Amino acid sequence: TQLLEQSPQFLSIQEGENLTVYCNSSSVFSSLQWYRQEPGEGPVLLVTVVTGGEVKKLKRLTFQFGDARKDSSLHITAAQPGDTGLYLCAGPATGNQFYFGTGTSLTVIP
Amino acid sequence: GAGVSQTPSNKVTEKGKYVELRCDPISGHTALYWYRQSLGQGPEFLIYFQGTGAADDSGLPNDRFFAVRPEGSVSTLKIQRTERGDSAVYLCASSLKAGTGIHGYTFGSGTRLTVV
Repeated sequence: TQLLEQSPQFLSIQEGENLTVYCNSSSVFSSLQWYRQEPGEGPVLLVTVVTGGEVKKLKRLTFQFGDARKDSSLHITAAQPGDTGLYLCAGPATGNQFYFGTGTSLTVIP
Repeated sequence: GAGVSQTPSNKVTEKGKYVELRCDPISGHTALYWYRQSLGQGPEFLIYFQGTGAADDSGLPNDRFFAVRPEGSVSTLKIQRTERGDSAVYLCASSLKAGTGIHGYTFGSGTRLTVV
């Protein structure tokens, strides 16, 4: 059973299009993080959201944490080929480990 | 160093052999984590070190897996009697201190282990 479900699993879009990916859980998290992972590399932290309802923007990326702190979304405006990668959400578990979602693999076609 | 360094980047080994995977964390980072990522999946927790001690090894799948961090810096993940199911990317991450709900980890590029 996956604690963090991400959708869609795969997404292929044309350059310039907008997209949203989702991270959902039945559990409440004190915070959620979003990472991007490129082939052959480790995940790189994009943002941490902490407060229910919080919205954070990082250039063309907008992250939202659900009011109940059980879900999060990532919206990309005017996607570019450089946005291609695996997007992972992660939430803190007991102790000092993190649960990671299954990821959304995004391909932006020039 | 500037980032988390993992060696080797790729390792192919025969079933039943022993392998060691090395992680050199960011200087000064006291917390070190090992994760395993199978194809098409997110990383799964293996073990966490705070300093020299393994503070949480609950993610190690069985007793063939063992990790050490003798001087509180470099860590080695050791896998005995490798099986084909051990094939995955092994990721190491470090952070300045534990409980990084806000700041997250810095990951290395991983070691891709293939057991044939």
